[in-house]
This record gives sequence, C-alpha cells and structure tokens, in this order.
Amino acid sequence: QKEVEQDPGPLSVPEGAIVSLNCTYSNSAFQYFMWYRQYSRKGPELLMYTYSSGNKEDGRFTAQVDKSSKYISLFIRDSQPSDSATYLCAMSKSGGGADGLTFGKGTHLIIQP
Amino acid sequence: DGGITQSPKYLFRKEGQNVTLSCEQNLNHDAMYWYRQDPGQGLRLIYYSQIVNDFQKGDIAEGYSVSREKKESFPLTVTSAQKNPTAFYLCATGGAITSTDTQYFGPGTRLTVL
Repeated sequence: QKEVEQDPGPLSVPEGAIVSLNCTYSNSAFQYFMWYRQYSRKGPELLMYTYSSGNKEDGRFTAQVDKSSKYISLFIRDSQPSDSATYLCAMSKSGGGADGLTFGKGTHLIIQP
Repeated sequence: DGGITQSPKYLFRKEGQNVTLSCEQNLNHDAMYWYRQDPGQGLRLIYYSQIVNDFQKGDIAEGYSVSREKKESFPLTVTSAQKNPTAFYLCATGGAITSTDTQYFGPGTRLTVL
C-alpha cells in the first residue's frame, strides 16, 4: 500500500460546479498537510497548508483534514476554467516539511466552459 | 516560484554524461530540496539540505549528488550512474525544522537523455 493514495483522474466538471479532491494516507505520523496546484510544465504552487483536523478556508478553496480517518480533501467552489490543472496533495511528519514532503500522484482536473 | 530560480529550463544529455542542474533562492530559507517528477508518479525526494555544508539522502538518491556551499544555492548533479534520468526536476525551499511554514517550488528543469 502506498503511503499516500490519490485518484489521478481525469476529473471533468462544468464551470461553476463544486469540486471535491481527496487523498488518503496510511501513516499516522503525518501531521502537516498541503495542497499544491500544478499547471502543465510548471512548478507546483502552494494553495493550502493545514495542521489540525478540521476545515481551513481561503477564498474559493477549503481544505479539510480528518486525522482519525486519515483522509484529506480540497473543495473548490464556483470552479473556473483557469482552475484546470493537476492538484497534488502532500504531507509531512515534521513542521516545515523539514525531512521532505510525501506526495500523492496528483489529480488532473478539467473545468469545462 | 517567486524567489527560486532553476536553470536551465530544458536540458538534453547524452548517455554517459554528467549534468548539473542549478537552483538558487533569495528567500533566505534555511532548507532546500530536490524532487523528481515522472508522469503519473507524483514527486519523489532525491536530496535535501537543512543547513550549509550538510545534506541528506532522500528516497531516490542513487545516481545523484549535491553540494551546499552557500545558503542560496543547492545544485544537483545527475551522474551517468542514474539509470533513467529523463524527468522533470523540481527544487524547493523551506524554513528550518522548527518552522511553521512549508515548501515552495521553483519552475523546474526538464531533463531529457538522448
């Protein structure tokens, strides 16, 4: 079993829909959780960074962490064609990801105009 | 990618050659990282350095080497011992181990072996 599981998609939704992206993990030592957005042939861009279980909101994005179920989610409201990208979940055992981050494979999201 | 620069953007290597990828940062971050990205595989950690003159192997260090002589710079050498070097290489920086911040990525270097 991989440490971090993420459905690679592609996930295709119409513009304006609510998008739900998810990752599961097996190692309870992971304490810090991130979501990155990556456009084709570009470096990943940090979207959300959370530590505790619960929700964190930033504009149209909401990150949700459930440590008891080892499950994290990213919700995108009012999705736009510019949101079309690959979304990577990442996690670490130490603050700042000091020992490196462990990534999911990424979900390819397509927002249809 | 802000204050993280990677060069070159594209790199072509013949089999048997060593090549060096550059990563420079002006964010004053202590830690620097190298990841490799293959299609459908996500990012995997190659090497990381938390302070100058010190670095540690990541999950896939074989066939790679690094140095950290300056806080701002963390070059990666892909040696001829790396069996399958064609990939997208990403450099990241972050705070110290006590940091509450996370990692930020550069724009990447795409390496192709001819």
